[in-house]
Amino acid sequence: DVKVTQSSRYLVKRTGEKVFLECVQDMDHENMFWYRQDPGLGLRLIYFSYDVKMKEKGDIPEGYSVSREKKERFSLILESASTNQTSMYLCASSRGTAIRNQPQHFGDGTRLSIL
Amino acid sequence: AQTVTQSQPEMSVQEAETVTLSCTYDTSESDYYLFWYKQPPSRQMILVIRQEAYKQQNATENRFSVNFQKAAKSFSLKISDSQLGDAAMYFCAYRSRQGAQKLVFGQGTRLTINP
Repeated sequence: DVKVTQSSRYLVKRTGEKVFLECVQDMDHENMFWYRQDPGLGLRLIYFSYDVKMKEKGDIPEGYSVSREKKERFSLILESASTNQTSMYLCASSRGTAIRNQPQHFGDGTRLSIL
Repeated sequence: AQTVTQSQPEMSVQEAETVTLSCTYDTSESDYYLFWYKQPPSRQMILVIRQEAYKQQNATENRFSVNFQKAAKSFSLKISDSQLGDAAMYFCAYRSRQGAQKLVFGQGTRLTINP
């Protein structure tokens, strides 16, 4: 089974801090994704990556950046955390573009609170 | 841009009964993929069922089946013989066959199973 591991299940940070959310997958997947989940809004894509050192903006990238130095790891960075970034963050991975009907596999999520 | 709409924020059903969750989407594309994901209280998103738009036959997975109406852009999920373990948030998601493999999610439907 695919395992997507997010480093923290709960995280509390202060306004203005630089926050790192880490995600690791163990199935050699090419694609990795960061979503934000808010009640009534579903999941919204922040950033995704289809290869090491490659990244593309999703629908709501403002205030975030990402890093993918190794294939198995995809980090989400809140450059200067703000209270409106309090949310659930979900990481996902999937196989490469040649196999398009493959689903994304998700981690357990990180519930981030910015005080 | 594609959009996905789940118009039922909450649904409830008696154990062993059948329930149908609604999903509509908007796209100008002719070939794409549709998914239903389940998110139980444990938070991990689990793939329930997937449908390829070029296939006319509705997908089924044990007690889960879909009613895919391409012309109406409708993709409902039917759960038969509902079980307590089916209680969760259910998300409908769209993915284009072309370009990036990002998912577009609906707002979610919270399903409660009454014993």
